Amino acid sequence: SQQGEEDPQALSIQEGENATMNCSYKTSINNLQWYRQNSGRGLVHLILIRSNEREKHSGRLRVTLDTSKKSSSLLITASRAADTASYFCATDVIDGGATNKLIFGTGTLLAVQP
Amino acid sequence: KAGVTQTPRYLIKTRGQQVTLSCSPISGHRSVSWYQQTPGQGLQFLFEYFSETQRNKGNFPGRFSGRQFSNSRSEMNVSTLELGDSALYLCASRPTGVGYGYTFGSGTRLTVV
Repeated sequence: SQQGEEDPQALSIQEGENATMNCSYKTSINNLQWYRQNSGRGLVHLILIRSNEREKHSGRLRVTLDTSKKSSSLLITASRAADTASYFCATDVIDGGATNKLIFGTGTLLAVQP
Repeated sequence: KAGVTQTPRYLIKTRGQQVTLSCSPISGHRSVSWYQQTPGQGLQFLFEYFSETQRNKGNFPGRFSGRQFSNSRSEMNVSTLELGDSALYLCASRPTGVGYGYTFGSGTRLTVV
């Protein structure tokens, strides 16, 4: 399967703590994106990091990318109960000469306890 | 700016029937992609359309098809439904060019009984 792996599968923390999720992937990428999904609804785009970038910040989010290890991490600082959701990494790849498609990881279920 | 709109939100069909799902992308977005989400297989790419042309297709049987209209709206069709087709079907659009994230709709939850 081309699917990426995320760990941990589930994470439970207290409000105010930081949450770190890791993602590993298998193919060469154009960029890597992180998405949030609440209770089986649609995915919300959080942040995109290009293959030539190593770190990116957006508000309370910090993403790192290590293309040599084919891995990425998402850090959410000062978490809130509203951050409770599933988080997915997705690699944007050129598929055998065709156009881009996203290959998703398995997801991390984050529960932030108030 | 309106988001990506998917209709219907929920659908219950019987095995052997066919179903059509609809997606209206964000105005100006010409790329529309479809994904299937199941507990067992996770999120999997179905196909991508751009300017009424299918540019890429995932590893799904021919029972899964789609099309895109001149106004960029897209439909996907699943014929001869099987129980395993029960899933959340997500549509996403994005601007032309590189380095853009996708905007997803809320999905259509299909249940095959």
